[in-house]
Amino acid sequence: GAVVSQHPSWVICKSGTSVKIECRSLDFQATTMFWYRQFPKQSLMLMATSNEGSKATYEQGVEKDKFLINHASLTLSTLTVTSAHPEDSSFYICSVRGDPTDTQYFGPGTRLTVL
Amino acid sequence: DAKTTQPTSMDCAEGRAANLPCNHSTISGNEYVYWYRQIHSQGPQYIIHGLKNNETNEMASLIITEDRKSSTLILPHATLRDTAVYYCIVPISNFGNEKLTFGTGTRLTIIP
Repeated sequence: GAVVSQHPSWVICKSGTSVKIECRSLDFQATTMFWYRQFPKQSLMLMATSNEGSKATYEQGVEKDKFLINHASLTLSTLTVTSAHPEDSSFYICSVRGDPTDTQYFGPGTRLTVL
Repeated sequence: DAKTTQPTSMDCAEGRAANLPCNHSTISGNEYVYWYRQIHSQGPQYIIHGLKNNETNEMASLIITEDRKSSTLILPHATLRDTAVYYCIVPISNFGNEKLTFGTGTRLTIIP
C-alpha cells in the first residue's frame, strides 16, 4: 500500500494562532486526499475531500473558512486550522487514494493541542 | 448506502485465531467490504477488502457469506500487537467517488 506521512506528528499552539499540517504521499500519486478528525474516545469523522488542483469539498458542519485545505500536487495536501481554539484540539488524520474506487491509505496522524 | 454492525469489544488469547464478525445486510451487489484497524494514537491501517469471494493476504483472511450480508475477518495467530479497534466499512459512493464512514468498530484485546 501507499506510504503516507504527516508533519508535524504533534503540535501545541496558543489560542488564536493558525496551524498548518502537511500530508505527503511518499510513493503514490494521490488524486484524492481526505482529512479526518478524531476526538478522544470517538471514531474518525471525515472533514473534507480534496482532489488535486481543485477546491476541497467539505462535509456538513465543517467550516471551510476555518479549515483551509490545499491540494496543490499529487503528493502533498495541507490543512490549516485558522484561529485555533481549545475545542479544535483533536487528532487530525489524512488519507490518500488514486482512482475513485481504490483503497484509501492513512497517515500516522497529527495531534493538535490548543491552549 | 450500506451500514455495518460490529460487536463493541472482543477478547482473544494470544496465538489463537481472532474472528471478528460484521453485519452489512443492506449491502448492494457492487459494494465492497473494507477492513481497517487503528492501534492507539495511530492512523488507521488497511487490512483487506473483498466483494464476494473470500480473500487472504499476509495480514488476515476475509470470509464473506454467500448472500453478502455478513463477513468475518480472521487473524489466524493473534499477537499482542493485534490489539486495536477494527473497523468494517462499506464505502459510501457519491457519483462514483467513494468515501469511508467509520463506525465505532470492535475493540479487540489480545490476552497474553
